[in-house]
Amino acid sequence: DVKVTQSSRYLVKRTGEKVFLECVQDMDHENMFWYRQDPGLGLRLIYFSYDVKMKEKGDIPEGYSVSREKKERFSLILESASTNQTSMYLCASQQGGYGYTFGSGTRLTVV
Amino acid sequence: GESVGLHLPTLSVQEGDNSIINCAYSNSASDYFIWYKQESGKGPQFIIDIRSNMDKRQGQRVTVLLNKTVKHLSLQIAATQPGDSAVYFCAEKGQAGTALIFGKGTTLSVSS
Repeated sequence: DVKVTQSSRYLVKRTGEKVFLECVQDMDHENMFWYRQDPGLGLRLIYFSYDVKMKEKGDIPEGYSVSREKKERFSLILESASTNQTSMYLCASQQGGYGYTFGSGTRLTVV
Repeated sequence: GESVGLHLPTLSVQEGDNSIINCAYSNSASDYFIWYKQESGKGPQFIIDIRSNMDKRQGQRVTVLLNKTVKHLSLQIAATQPGDSAVYFCAEKGQAGTALIFGKGTTLSVSS
């Protein structure tokens, strides 16, 4: 089975800090995605990548950037964390344009 | 724009009942649909999928029905168990790209 690993389950960061959320998949999938999940809003797409060094903005990219230097790793960067970025962050990988495999999520709290 | 929604945010059933979770989608061009289950504190897990050239697909205790005429998707869970308690999401993929569009989720609560 594909495994998607997010490096942290819980993070607490201070306002203004630069935050890195790491995601690694082990099945050579082409596509990787970052979502945030908030009560009442569902899953919202932040960024996605179809290949190494390629990135595409999703629905809510403001305040975020991403990096994909290697195929297996897709990093989400909060340039200057703010309290409205407190959320559950979910990484997913995908091959062939079908179902995603999700990681376990990182619950980020910005104080 | 494209959107996927669910009819009910919560559903409560008794153990052993059959559960039906509904989802309406708006993009008639979507060609692939998926149901995910998300337990508390975990990431979503794949349950079952269906392509637009099918009306029904069955898995172990789960069935997905697709009605393209009214753009409706449903997940049926047979003999619901307490371990089925979770949030269930439907998702669709449009023909134009590969990113999935998710509904907001239905919370299923199963009581013994």
